[in-house]
Amino acid sequence: QKEVEQNSGPLSVPEGAIASLNCTYSDRGSQSFFWYRQYSGKSPELIMSIYSNGDKEDGRFTAQLNKASQYVSLLIRDSQPSDSATYLCAVNRASSNTGKLIFGQGTTLQVKP
Amino acid sequence: DAGVTQSPTHLIKTRGQQVTLRCSPKSGHDTVSWYQQALGQGPQFIFQYYEEEERQRGNFPDRFSGHQFPNYSSELNVNALLLGDSALYLCASSSTGRGYNEQFFGPGTRLTVL
Repeated sequence: QKEVEQNSGPLSVPEGAIASLNCTYSDRGSQSFFWYRQYSGKSPELIMSIYSNGDKEDGRFTAQLNKASQYVSLLIRDSQPSDSATYLCAVNRASSNTGKLIFGQGTTLQVKP
Repeated sequence: DAGVTQSPTHLIKTRGQQVTLRCSPKSGHDTVSWYQQALGQGPQFIFQYYEEEERQRGNFPDRFSGHQFPNYSSELNVNALLLGDSALYLCASSSTGRGYNEQFFGPGTRLTVL
């Protein structure tokens, strides 16, 4: 079992729709959770971080965390073609500011005009 | 405010050679982590440096080594290059003691081993 699992996709949504990206993790000791966006040929860009159960909203992005189910998701509202990218879920076990991030393989999102 | 910088952008080496990659963290950050990203995969943690010491290491052989300097910049060295070392090498900076380990990536170095 992989430590962090994501559906590789591609996930295809029409422009203006809600894109829902999902991630599960195996280590119950995980404390912090991150979503990165990576355009083709570029490096990952941090777009959301979440540390406690529930929802966290930032503009068109909402991260959702359910530690009991070991599940984290990212919703993108009013999807735009510029949102087309690979979205990486990352998990850190440490509660302090140390340690490695464990990444899923990423989900490719395609937003069609 | 300068972000994370890495050099060089691209590098082509042959098997058996050695390579050094460089990273300067974001202003105010003191911790540098290195990751390897193969095509179509998520980044894999190599190691993390803080206070000029290797604080944590991933599952990479001793051919991979690093260093952190007093100004927080860092180097990644890879000896005896293998074809399988071809990848995007990412440096991420963060600030120990502030927040929950938000790591910010540099643009990466694309290494090709022939």
